[in-house]
Amino acid sequence: EAGVAQSPRYKIIEKRQSVAFWCNPISGHATLYWYQQILGQGPKLLIQFQNNGVVDDSQLPKDRFSAERLKGVDSTLKIQPAKLEDSAVYLCASSRLVFVGTGELFFGEGSRLTVL
Amino acid sequence: GESVGLHLPTLSVQEGDNSIINCAYSNSASDYFIWYKQESGKGPQFIIDIRSNMDKRQGQRVTVLLNKTVKHLSLQIAATQPGDSAVYFCAERGTGAGSYQLTFGKGTKLSVIP
Repeated sequence: EAGVAQSPRYKIIEKRQSVAFWCNPISGHATLYWYQQILGQGPKLLIQFQNNGVVDDSQLPKDRFSAERLKGVDSTLKIQPAKLEDSAVYLCASSRLVFVGTGELFFGEGSRLTVL
Repeated sequence: GESVGLHLPTLSVQEGDNSIINCAYSNSASDYFIWYKQESGKGPQFIIDIRSNMDKRQGQRVTVLLNKTVKHLSLQIAATQPGDSAVYFCAERGTGAGSYQLTFGKGTKLSVIP
C-alpha cells in the first residue's frame, strides 16, 4: 500500500514570496490533515478535511495560509506571503475515519520550508 | 490553553538497556493517548496507543503506562536498539471545533549508544 505522498520535499523562498505544497493521501482515506512542525517542536494541526469539506481550521492563519481539497483526494496548502516564522516542516497525514481513535493516522515525509 | 509536555528533552541509553520516556499532560478530559516515533527527515510513525480507561498496554518491545492521577504517560522500550534512535512524541486527543484533534508534545530525542 502506498503511503502519503508529499511534494516538494524541500523549498527555499524569500519572505513575502508564495509557496504551495501538495499532498496525496493513502487511497480510500477520507480524512486529510495538514500539520506544521517547527524545529524542535511537535506537529501542530493547521487544518483537517473530511472528504472535500473542512472539519477544523481554527489554527490556520487565514490571512496568509489557505488549503483546499477540491475533489476529496489530493490537497494543496498555500502560503502567501511567507514570513520568516513560517520556516517549518509541513506534514500531511491521512486516516480512514475522522475520529482518530485507533492510531490509524499516517504521515507523509513532509515538505521542509525555509524562508529567508 | 492546555497542552502536552515532556519531562526530558534528550535521553541517551546504552544498547540493550531499557529506555523510559516520560510525558506529562494537563487536559484531564483527554481520553486517548498515542506515542509516535519520528526519525530524521521522516514523518511521525505510530508506535502504540492507550485509552484513558486503561493503565497499561503492551506491544512488541514497547509498553505504555498511563497514570491519570498525576496525568503522566510513559513509554518503555525494552532492549533498546540503535534503530530506536529517534525523537519520540506523545500526543493526546481532545476536542475542538467539532473534531477530535491530536495535541503533540515537544518530543524527546532518544540516542542509543552502541
